[in-house]
Amino acid sequence: SQQGEEDPQALSIQEGENATMNCSYKTSINNLQWYRQNSGRGLVHLILIRSNEREKHSGRLRVTLDTSKKSSSLLITASRAADTASYFCATELMEYGNKLVFGAGTILRVKS
Amino acid sequence: DGGITQSPKYLFRKEGQNVTLSCEQNLNHDAMYWYRQDPGQGLRLIYYSQIVNDFQKGDIAEGYSVSREKKESFPLTVTSAQKNPTAFYLCASSKIDAAEKLFFGSGTQLSVL
Repeated sequence: SQQGEEDPQALSIQEGENATMNCSYKTSINNLQWYRQNSGRGLVHLILIRSNEREKHSGRLRVTLDTSKKSSSLLITASRAADTASYFCATELMEYGNKLVFGAGTILRVKS
Repeated sequence: DGGITQSPKYLFRKEGQNVTLSCEQNLNHDAMYWYRQDPGQGLRLIYYSQIVNDFQKGDIAEGYSVSREKKESFPLTVTSAQKNPTAFYLCASSKIDAAEKLFFGSGTQLSVL
């Protein structure tokens, strides 16, 4: 199945800096979601953006979607040490029914 | 508190043994999913169910089996036919389909003795 691909694979920043992660996908989507996973834990849903939306905000999170480029970005502003986690994009592909396809994730480390 | 409970947290399998991972949810969700996560990789779908007594294979169903006898429960059996079972297994649920967000359990780490 087609997967989203996150970029970069790993990111290390200082507390207070912004973190940007990107996700690219290959085919048309219904929606795109971002999830967070702390080490050894389950995933937690962060934000969902539909194919007809271009930008969404939730607290310190900003997600953009460019369907012409088949890409999305997740921006975490004013990062905190507690933001250290893996971040995954997941796409609901039009031809894949109503199941999500996950990328390999970006590992974010925020140093205090 | 509503949520998804996976048990056990850690599980060890001997050669030729079948093991069952438990997943229970009290969110009244119709859809439930099993994913496998290998180190440094994304999640791969094993099985999913959208209604009681019905389930479909995902991308990597070989060597696994499931049942959905109750809305709240979706156990996964890792059979002896699964030759590389060591992985982190995640159960999830959603209201009806992936158009809604997934709620995940805390996972089960399965290792081979």
